Amino acid sequence: SAVISQKPSRDICQRGTSLTIQCQVDSQVTMMFWYRQQPGQSLTLIATANQGSEATYESGFVIDKFPISRPNLTFSTLTVSNMSPEDSSIYLCSVEDEGFEAFFGQGTRLTVV
Amino acid sequence: TQLLEQSPQFLSIQEGENLTVYCNSSSVFSSLQWYRQEPGEGPVLLVTVVTGGEVKKLKRLTFQFGDARKDSSLHITAAQPGDTGLYLCAGGGNKLVFGAGTILRVKS
Repeated sequence: SAVISQKPSRDICQRGTSLTIQCQVDSQVTMMFWYRQQPGQSLTLIATANQGSEATYESGFVIDKFPISRPNLTFSTLTVSNMSPEDSSIYLCSVEDEGFEAFFGQGTRLTVV
Repeated sequence: TQLLEQSPQFLSIQEGENLTVYCNSSSVFSSLQWYRQEPGEGPVLLVTVVTGGEVKKLKRLTFQFGDARKDSSLHITAAQPGDTGLYLCAGGGNKLVFGAGTILRVKS
């Protein structure tokens, strides 16, 4: 298992600004995953963050909007840039073990006003 | 692309009732997982089923993996208010695919 600390847990931001979400894992992992979730709904994968290489983005998500950093094997950040109300959502980071079982941070609830 | 269909989307039941949540796909999965998510928290893994036909029990929760490894079910016996949450099935390896989720509300 893995313990993931994610912060902030929630934020209210003005449109046009950017927010950086941090994710710290208690062990070294190769891949970290960033998801978006509307309350009560399923998870949508934004991108996979690999240490030492560029993140891999899913269809519909671009680096200019969601830049990701992965400076080492225990840490990653996701920035939501030039925010609009449509970006209001829950953002989650996760890691997987060798059996592809996922462990999640507690999430960041973002509200853009 | 592997897809997981989950049903029902929403369940509201009284304490003590039984319920079943279904997770179906047209694709074969090497394993399927079930997660529960409470408000303000990330999803937490409940169980992984690996072998076709496998049945796993976790207290009042019973998980079954279909013989063909294309579907799974979660059965809760005598539901409690503490079972309230969003239940998600997932599968697919190092880029997990998640079902749409089932919101369960257990009223006391």
